[in-house]
Amino acid sequence: AQSVTQLGSHVSVSEGALVLLRCNYSSSVPPYLFWYVQYPNQGLQLLLKYTSAATLVKGINGFEAEFKKSETSFHLTKPSAHMSDAAEYFCAVGGGSYDKVIFGPGTSLSVIP
Amino acid sequence: IAGITQAPTSQILAAGRRMTLRCTQDMRHNAMYWYRQDLGLGLRLIHYSNTAGTTGKGEVPDGYSVSRANTDDFPLTLASAVPSQTSVYFCASSPGQGLGYTFGSGTRLTVV
Repeated sequence: AQSVTQLGSHVSVSEGALVLLRCNYSSSVPPYLFWYVQYPNQGLQLLLKYTSAATLVKGINGFEAEFKKSETSFHLTKPSAHMSDAAEYFCAVGGGSYDKVIFGPGTSLSVIP
Repeated sequence: IAGITQAPTSQILAAGRRMTLRCTQDMRHNAMYWYRQDLGLGLRLIHYSNTAGTTGKGEVPDGYSVSRANTDDFPLTLASAVPSQTSVYFCASSPGQGLGYTFGSGTRLTVV
């Protein structure tokens, strides 16, 4: 069975500050891990994915995430927050039955000017 | 533009009525999925299809049915809508395991 937890349903950062969104997963098989972003009234958009290659994954819009197997974590970071980063972020795990992905509950990111 | 088209964008539906949410993709992805998104519950998988002609049940399949007659289309049907099916419904597709999903823009359904 697979599951995902995201610490903090809401995170606020100042513009220009570091963004850190936490994700921990549980998986009985080597996982595929994803981060998605959802802007208001839109569908989800893939930010980045880990598929057993490099443990540090770079995505779009300056985001990156590091896979740490020992900590079962896949935290999302961005060095400097921008106002346009305000959105809902979902961590997800796959790798079980054919590409069925389990989503975390989401973290809402607010960026304060 | 390649992607997923969902229709309608929004709908208010009387309880007990039948409703089909449409989903069409033009990327020739084998796998397609239907999720519902509810505040505080995140996204939950309703049904999925690994390839045309096959479907499977997800986490919350009760009250919903799907079909996959061809690669491009994956409609979701509510046979007799109930208020608890009020939600935002997202269709997604994937070219293969580990490659991530492409999502549609969603259908906001209100059952009254």
